[in-house]
Amino acid sequence: SQQGEEDPQALSIQEGENATMNCSYKTSINNLQWYRQNSGRGLVHLILIRSNEREKHSGRLRVTLDTSKKSSSLLITASRAADTASYFCATVPMNRDDKIIFGKGTRLHILP
Amino acid sequence: NAGVTQTPKFQVLKTGQSMTLQCAQDMNHNSMYWYRQDPGMGLRLIYYSASEGTTDKGEVPNGYNVSRLNKREFSLRLESAAPSQTSVYFCASSLGQAGSPLHFGNGTRLTVT
Repeated sequence: SQQGEEDPQALSIQEGENATMNCSYKTSINNLQWYRQNSGRGLVHLILIRSNEREKHSGRLRVTLDTSKKSSSLLITASRAADTASYFCATVPMNRDDKIIFGKGTRLHILP
Repeated sequence: NAGVTQTPKFQVLKTGQSMTLQCAQDMNHNSMYWYRQDPGMGLRLIYYSASEGTTDKGEVPNGYNVSRLNKREFSLRLESAAPSQTSVYFCASSLGQAGSPLHFGNGTRLTVT
């Protein structure tokens, strides 16, 4: 069964607003990763946060991790039309770091 | 630098036909993966190869076989295609160290009629 579950399933916001997506997971993890998928393309890795980290930044992206709640959030600030895509969280189980398990994704649509 | 290359991009099969999806990476990665993506289901791991010479089942291996031909290439075979295998198939690779990030190909869209 899938490890991570994103929330919401779909999100539409105005360009310039911030977008927040959440991910919950079930078992202990080595790290958690976020990916973006543009329509008709493969996934692209955005950011990785390790289990001993609480927050990480990369450009307009901010990721938080709360291992006590088994949850993570991805914040995209000052959204742009080019941010329209599906976003997936992926978890690496603690004792199986050769497996990366994906959630079902959040579809983000940025309105002009 | 091509990254991860998948062939073919599109394929239509009749039920019972067989085919092999090809994947090659030029990043000297140790680990390679096959996922399928279905609407509303996200990505599900079919098989993976942690290193050259090894393969292991993922979440949905039934109906598939794999071959890690060498460090660069990892193929996925459908011996007798079924409509339930209609999906988009993605190959990915990684360094394979402690959950290192995946690099994906652009997918093969397979339809089984």
